[in-house]
Amino acid sequence: QVQLVESGGGVAQPGGSTRLSCAASGFNFRSFGLHWVRQAPGQGLVWVALISYDGTNKEYSASVEGRFTISRDNVNNTLYLQLDSLRPDDTAVYYCVRGSRELDYWGQGTLVTVSS
Amino acid sequence: VLTQSPGTLSLSPGERATLSCRASQSVSSDLAWYQQKPGQAPRLVIYGSSSRATGIPDRFSGGGSGTDFTLTISRLEPEDFAVYFCQQYGSSPRTFGQGTKVE
Repeated sequence: QVQLVESGGGVAQPGGSTRLSCAASGFNFRSFGLHWVRQAPGQGLVWVALISYDGTNKEYSASVEGRFTISRDNVNNTLYLQLDSLRPDDTAVYYCVRGSRELDYWGQGTLVTVSS
Repeated sequence: VLTQSPGTLSLSPGERATLSCRASQSVSSDLAWYQQKPGQAPRLVIYGSSSRATGIPDRFSGGGSGTDFTLTISRLEPEDFAVYFCQQYGSSPRTFGQGTKVE
């Protein structure tokens, strides 16, 4: 079965950096686009970034463009999100999601808290 | 921008739920609905405006195209009480609506 398992969350300082990972299994990883979606505590869903199946196309929301970098390793079936210049409003659960169009499988999420 | 209404829908098991999602510009049929229960990740319910995702019971139905979309739950079961989000994937950024809570 499809599994997406995020890791790398925790507490980070404002202005600091952290990297999230998502280990995928149960499907042909290199055939699917992948996304990061975040959800601040008690709030709605916010799309963050996507990467195409082969890594050649990357898109970002305006709020993270220039600060976050999405990447993937099609040999080790892993998705990444590098978060730099972190701000308190980046505090959220970050979900790794499979989807070339609709978002059909979601990980359980990893919490990033930006606080001094 | 996707705008969902109402913000909260208060209903009883067995009743019909009708949720609305309106887009500020046409998204064709590139619209999905997700269900989220407390403490859980979202789950895909409807894609392509009207296609049910794998394992979704037929009491869930979606419709619409362009700018106006609807998710209908014909007879609410206890497990259907949750927050529902619409999302368009026709253009970037892939925006979500703010959610409708069915309580």
